[in-house]
Amino acid sequence: GQQVMQIPQYQHVQEGEDFTTYCNSSTTLSNIQWYKQRPGGHPVFLIQLVKSGEVKKQKRLTFQFGEAKKNSSLHITATQTTDVGTYFCAGGRYGNKLVFGAGTILRVKS
Amino acid sequence: NAGVTQTPKFQVLKTGQSMTLQCAQDMNHEYMSWYRQDPGMGLRLIHYSVGAGITDQGEVPNGYNVSRSTTEDFPLRLLSAAPSQTSVYFCASTITPTRAETQYFGPGTRLLVL
Repeated sequence: GQQVMQIPQYQHVQEGEDFTTYCNSSTTLSNIQWYKQRPGGHPVFLIQLVKSGEVKKQKRLTFQFGEAKKNSSLHITATQTTDVGTYFCAGGRYGNKLVFGAGTILRVKS
Repeated sequence: NAGVTQTPKFQVLKTGQSMTLQCAQDMNHEYMSWYRQDPGMGLRLIHYSVGAGITDQGEVPNGYNVSRSTTEDFPLRLLSAAPSQTSVYFCASTITPTRAETQYFGPGTRLLVL
């Protein structure tokens, strides 16, 4: 079945440092979504990428979708304590199912 | 709009008991889904529905049943609870997951099976 691998599993950064999480699929994706889950909370949709090579920005967050539509990344510039949480990618095939990666837990030291 | 609501928030069951986790949305979304979240494993799709009267299996359907009699409601039934079903369960809805639409998650139900 479709696998979506996400690395790293865990990252602890100093406030102000940058952070990147990577998502890789074994098959070509129709789209990829990114979510953030605060500790004890529920996943909250951040963004969706659909086009090959697409890059989108939300303030300090930059999202990329690979040319082959098999990988994606989320980069946070100058992390803040409010960025703490787990970041998930979710890959869609040409159908109705999304497959989630295991998530990257981000901790920020102030 | 209340968005996606789930009840109960917490539940403790004994092995072999059955129960229904409730999920409702008031956004007129056609697509609804159930996920379970376990440490280090992300969110795994249990069942999903593309509209009233239509359901299909996800990645981990065994031990769970669903039905979709209305657009608003999508209950998840545990037939005979097992300790392996201890998890956090999230319901989600969207217009369709393959379009650039937000997928909304409910607050979750934390289930412990003894």
